Amino acid sequence: GAVVSQHPSWVICKSGTSVKIECRSLDFQATTMFWYRQFPKQSLMLMATSNEGSKATYEQGVEKDKFLINHASLTLSTLTVTSAHPEDSSFYICSARATGNQETQYFGPGTRLLVL
Amino acid sequence: GESVGLHLPTLSVQEGDNSIINCAYSNSASDYFIWYKQESGKGPQFIIDIRSNMDKRQGQRVTVLLNKTVKHLSLQIAATQPGDSAVYFCAEITGRRALTFGSGTRLQVQP
Repeated sequence: GAVVSQHPSWVICKSGTSVKIECRSLDFQATTMFWYRQFPKQSLMLMATSNEGSKATYEQGVEKDKFLINHASLTLSTLTVTSAHPEDSSFYICSARATGNQETQYFGPGTRLLVL
Repeated sequence: GESVGLHLPTLSVQEGDNSIINCAYSNSASDYFIWYKQESGKGPQFIIDIRSNMDKRQGQRVTVLLNKTVKHLSLQIAATQPGDSAVYFCAEITGRRALTFGSGTRLQVQP
């Protein structure tokens, strides 16, 4: 139980294009999902908190117009990297917190983005 | 607190030895702590957690120790195996229930 999937697992795109990453909770409902970014040999940095049916809360320094988050259902959150540039190349990881649980986060397998 | 580092510290141990991975956390208000294991190219995997009202918790082959006085957390792995090789992160949860990750330690198990 408590499986979180991400799609795609890796993506290569040209600079200036937009990329959408999906995060799904497969066997539970998640009112809250989180998006993290991880650069090589570094830790996970929280980008934003995604709440079903409401606007995402972004961490300081994360551009909300560049990283669009939509959490339209209790099992799906999407992160769209708009007008991607090479410096956006990173490992993007989502996690989901089951409805009614305030602490446990289940992590997805990550999406590796390479912007050429 | 921030958790950024360009060079992960590495702990190298022999197979069968015990491993101790340390973590210093920053927020004295944090009330819940988790250790994660991350293998290359994968998402973090939950290992063990501990609440701030405890100072020790044991799992299968793993033990977490919490010292709130000095804001220090450690993960002990007994009889380390090659499959334990990975990067280990501690994470803390504060009042707003968001995770803040530590900088990570790479564990290398020599056969």
